[in-house]
This record gives sequence, structure tokens and C-alpha cells, in this order.
Amino acid sequence: GNSVTQMEGPVTLSEEAFLTINCTYTATGYPSLFWYVQYPGEGLQLLLKATKADDKGSNKGFEATYRKETTSFHLEKGSVQVSDSAVYFCALPTISSGSARQLTFGSGTQLTVLP
Amino acid sequence: NAGVTQTPKFRVLKTGQSMTLLCAQDMNHEYMYWYRQDPGMGLRLIHYSVGEGTTAKGEVPDGYNVSRLKKQNFLLGLESAAPSQTSVYFCASSYTLYEQYFGPGTRLTVT
Repeated sequence: GNSVTQMEGPVTLSEEAFLTINCTYTATGYPSLFWYVQYPGEGLQLLLKATKADDKGSNKGFEATYRKETTSFHLEKGSVQVSDSAVYFCALPTISSGSARQLTFGSGTQLTVLP
Repeated sequence: NAGVTQTPKFRVLKTGQSMTLLCAQDMNHEYMYWYRQDPGMGLRLIHYSVGEGTTAKGEVPDGYNVSRLKKQNFLLGLESAAPSQTSVYFCASSYTLYEQYFGPGTRLTVT
């Protein structure tokens, strides 16, 4: 089935530094790809998505490009802020044994931004 | 519009006790999910539902049961809690299958 491998953390950066969190996937075909973010004490929320190869998803200064050649969907931000401190999850759809589609999440990458 | 709410926020159980976690959504979503989150393991799907009156097993269903009697509610039950079920539990709902909306979580400790 489909799977996702995510860069292990934790990642610690200073404010205004450049951020990259790596995500690679294994999938049949070209499924949509997602980044979710979990702020401290909260549930996950969708950060951005790309629905086909070569698409770029963007939101809140974050970007990720769906690259089928390298099966990657790396998350980037040019200048991080303290408020970006959170756990970031890469995700993609997968089909369960019951033929229902679900999301499979990576293990998450903890980001801490220091002032 | 409250989104997805979960009750309770925290709970401590003794081994062998039972409890029910309640998830409610007010977005009229068909799909609802229960996940558990453990350190270093991301989120793992326990059970899910594709509509009122339906439920299905996810990746780690053993030791849990669910019910979806009303479209807006999805209940997760632990009949006989074990220490291995110590975790943070998240409920989610979705309309499009993929863009899921999460609740704030329930932190459960089983001693």
C-alpha cells in the first residue's frame, strides 16, 4: 500500500532561518499529497496540499512541490517564526483492506523556533 | 460553529476499567475517524465510519469498539483498558475523504 517516510526530528532553528522538512512517498499512481500541522495542545489541521504531480501547495508562507521524479513533497519556508513551532505531518491517501480510502500519516517532525 | 469536539479532555483509568470517548461534529460530515497518537509513531487509525450506522476497522482496532448511531457523533469504547492503550486519542471528520478536521484530543492514561 501507499506509505510516507518523513524526516526525523526534532528540528531546532533560530527565527528567520530557512526551513526544510523532507517527505518521500511510495504510492501507486499519483495520489494527492498533504502537510498537516499540530500546534501544542491541539489537534492536527491541514496546512497545504497538492493534488497532482508538479503542483505546488502553499499556505502561511509554507510551500511544498509535488515531485514525481523523486517521489518527494518537501515542506519549505523561507523565514520561520516562533509561532511556527509545532509538529508537522506529511500524509497521503491509501486504500484500506475494506476498499475505503484513508489518510496515512508520517511519524511527524517536531519543529522548535527560538527567538 | 464548534467544529469537532471531544469529551473528555483527560482521563485516568485503572487496568480493566471501561470507558467511552465521545466525538461530535457540527459540519454535517459523512466521514469520521478515531486515531491514536503515540511518540515516534505518528497517527494510527483505530476505526472509521463512512456514514451514519456504519463502522469499519482501521490499522489498530484490537481492544476498541465504536458506534455511529447519529451522523454527528462517533463513540470510541474501551471495554477493558490496558496500559498499552495509554495514548492521546484524536477524532476527525471529513467531507472530501482527504481533508480531515481534527478535534483537540483526549489524553488517556491507564495504570
